[in-house]
Order: sequence, then C-alpha cells, then structure tokens
Amino acid sequence: AQKVTQAQTEISVVEKEDVTLDCVYETRDTTYYLFWYKQPPSGELVFLIRRNSFDEQNEISGRYSWNFQKSTSSFNFTITASQVVDSAVYFCALSEVWTGANNLFFGTGTRLTVIP
Amino acid sequence: DGGITQSPKYLFRKEGQNVTLSCEQNLNHDAMYWYRQDPGQGLRLIYYSQIVNDFQKGDIAEGYSVSREKKESFPLTVTSAQKNPTAFYLCASSIGLAGVNEQFFGPGTRLTVL
Repeated sequence: AQKVTQAQTEISVVEKEDVTLDCVYETRDTTYYLFWYKQPPSGELVFLIRRNSFDEQNEISGRYSWNFQKSTSSFNFTITASQVVDSAVYFCALSEVWTGANNLFFGTGTRLTVIP
Repeated sequence: DGGITQSPKYLFRKEGQNVTLSCEQNLNHDAMYWYRQDPGQGLRLIYYSQIVNDFQKGDIAEGYSVSREKKESFPLTVTSAQKNPTAFYLCASSIGLAGVNEQFFGPGTRLTVL
C-alpha cells in the first residue's frame, strides 16, 4: 500500500493564482516526519519543509504555507500568488522512526505548471 | 561552493555492461544515499551509507552495488544483473538520518540502456 499519496498528478494555474498541493499519508507509527521537496527542471530536489508528528502547527514561509492535520493524515502545501518559477514537480515524503528513520517514502509527485 | 556533484549527467550503456555513477559531496555529511526515479514515480532508495566503510541496502538494491571508502564519495555501480536500469539516478547526503534531517541532492545522472 502507498504510504504517501499525491492524488494530483498535474496541476496548471495562471500566474498569481493560489494553488494547493495535496498529500495524504499512512503510518502506524506515532513518531514520524513529513517532508516536502521541490524538483525543478534541473533535476535536483530541494528541501522545503520538515514537520514531526508532534507538531501540528501550520507553517508559513513567504508565499508558501503548510497545513498539517493528523486527524485526516494530510500535509497539504499551498503556494499563494504563484509565479512561473514555482513550476516544478513537488514531492511529499514520510519517514517512520520505528523503521530507523533511514528511509523516506516518497509520493509520486505533483507536477505544477504556472502559466504566465 | 558546498554541494553534491554527480557525473556524468547523461550516460548510455549497452546491455550487459556494468557502469559506475559518481557522487561526491563537500558538505562534510556522514550519510549518503542513492535513489532511483522513474517517470511519474517517486524516488526509491537503492543504498545508503551512514558512515565510511559501511552501507545498507534500500528497497531496490538488487542489481546495484556501492562502496564508501571515503567520506566524500559514494559511487554506485549498475551491474548487468539490473533488469531495467534505464532511469534517473539521484545522489543525496544529510548530516544525519535521512528521515529526520534535510537531504541535499545532486543534479542527477540519466542512464539509458541501449
């Protein structure tokens, strides 16, 4: 079974629109970490955020914000006032401490295209 | 500049040949990782190393081998035993466990088997 589900395969928005990327995870562990990474066309993944399972506070960083809800096992990512530079593939990932926290389970990614 | 370098960027191989992908980091990270990415898929862990001279299999280690003789270097060999090696390979490093710490990624090597 998929541990991380990103149901949106591709999303296109017009510049300046807001967009939310969904991430639903599945784990039996009580201690886990959630991540978002961005993969621009250059190929290398760039870390965006890490959240542990005990910290449900939402976070805002500039135009980016994250909504972590344990009740729905979701860790959604919103980009406000999108820009062309936001065009990339975005991955949500989960690690479980009980398995040693050496492995990240990645979702299949959401390709975001921002149209100028 | 600190970071991770991977070479080559593109690699072509004939069936039945072994090929080695290079990964070097100057971030002084103890942990290094190799991932495979297929079109429309997430990353899958091939091998990881938490310390020099030690490495562990990931989820899809069959047909691959690694070495970690130096802290800065973690080369990946794709052997002829790997049934479907055409993919994008990403190397990463982190200061500690990948599941807890930020990982830094290289630009990747795209391997095509002809």
